[in-house]
Amino acid sequence: DAKTTQPPSMDCAEGRAANLPCNHSTISGNEYVYWYRQIHSQGPQYIIHGLKNNETNEMASLIITEDRKSSTLILPHATLRDTAVYYCIVNGGATNKLIFGTGTLLAVQP
Amino acid sequence: NAGVTQTPKFQVLKTGQSMTLQCAQDMNHEYMSWYRQDPGMGLRLIHYSVGAGITDQGEVPNGYNVSRSTTEDFPLRLLSAAPSQTSVYFCASSYSVANYGYTFGSGTRLTVV
Repeated sequence: DAKTTQPPSMDCAEGRAANLPCNHSTISGNEYVYWYRQIHSQGPQYIIHGLKNNETNEMASLIITEDRKSSTLILPHATLRDTAVYYCIVNGGATNKLIFGTGTLLAVQP
Repeated sequence: NAGVTQTPKFQVLKTGQSMTLQCAQDMNHEYMSWYRQDPGMGLRLIHYSVGAGITDQGEVPNGYNVSRSTTEDFPLRLLSAAPSQTSVYFCASSYSVANYGYTFGSGTRLTVV
């Protein structure tokens, strides 16, 4: 499975869009990009995933570059409750084995 | 529909004791896995299962055993607890091999003294 690189921390003002980047330059053709978040002491929460097209759901949007080497998770109107560690994971193949990195700590400021 | 249920939520063990962390899901998910999370660190995969009767090792399997006799349950056994196994343990399940998100339990906080 491909490795991902994320900034260790980011700040965002409440009500503004939060754009979280992720590099996955070694991604292969059958690997999906997944995003999860973990609010303090809770179990991780699935947010969104995609293969090569941009995706949107009620929580967020996922923008994947055309070469698939990087992606951006967008929270359109960040709230204080969005303060969490956000994990970008690349996964594919037969085992669905998610390998977590250290993620990005997003701090939403009032 | 309870999702992924982990028991107990908290546990204190003495060094050398054994115990089983329970994980059950009611979503008919084929794929289940166990992670541990140490303070200030990301999650590390211990063991995973792609279906009943099939298990495999993750990144940090030493000191842990698993079995998958039913689709619903995936218990994690600590054979002889050590202080290094003090951690928060998360169980997760997923419907499909790919193109599907994992559902995580709320965790078991284990302290080994």
